[in-house]
Amino acid sequence: QKEVEQNSGPLSVPEGAIASLNCTYSDRVSQSFFWYRQYSGKSPELIMSIYSNGDKEDGRFTAQLNKASQYVSLLIRDSQPSDSATYLCAVNQGSNYKLTFGKGTLLTVNP
Amino acid sequence: GAVVSQHPSRVICKSGTSVKIECRSLDFQATTMFWYRQFPKQSLMLMATSNEGSKATYEQGVEKDKFLINHASLTLSTLTVTSAHPEDSSFYICSARTSGSKTYNEQFFGPGTRLTVL
Repeated sequence: QKEVEQNSGPLSVPEGAIASLNCTYSDRVSQSFFWYRQYSGKSPELIMSIYSNGDKEDGRFTAQLNKASQYVSLLIRDSQPSDSATYLCAVNQGSNYKLTFGKGTLLTVNP
Repeated sequence: GAVVSQHPSRVICKSGTSVKIECRSLDFQATTMFWYRQFPKQSLMLMATSNEGSKATYEQGVEKDKFLINHASLTLSTLTVTSAHPEDSSFYICSARTSGSKTYNEQFFGPGTRLTVL
């Protein structure tokens, strides 16, 4: 069973702080990793993709991938109340292009 | 770029009727589209993978005769919920996969269709 695990939260941080979201996956052959943001009642929005070990930065977001530890994380710097949402970690294992999603972490940024 | 539209955004129907949902990639060609279902406070559940010009591949436990998928062109996939019942009420979301070298395998989601079956 290919699994993607996330802490369901809720994770609560003050405005301006760094929010750290974590995700582990079970299948070692996983190749592509994604973070989606989903506001309540809305569909997921892709915010980061990462394919290689290390860090990838895009604005206030940094994705970190460690394939040896089967771990991917998302850091949100200078968190804003508008970042309050559920963050979904998704992993692609192979050529069928299907994504396996974690259950999501609910982030609340307090003004 | 990478915009996916879905229509309708919301539909209410009577039990036993069929409902058709359209998913379009507006600014790119999508050889592969995916259909998901999401119940309240749960994560996304993949229903099927739709490939242009071929039959859809359904996930285990998803009835292919109930959820008909057609991917007639590189920009359009449709999901028809046949003989809908109240337990089919859910948030149906499609996604389309890009295939460019810089956005390899990224999936972009449509805004979703909220189906309520009375």
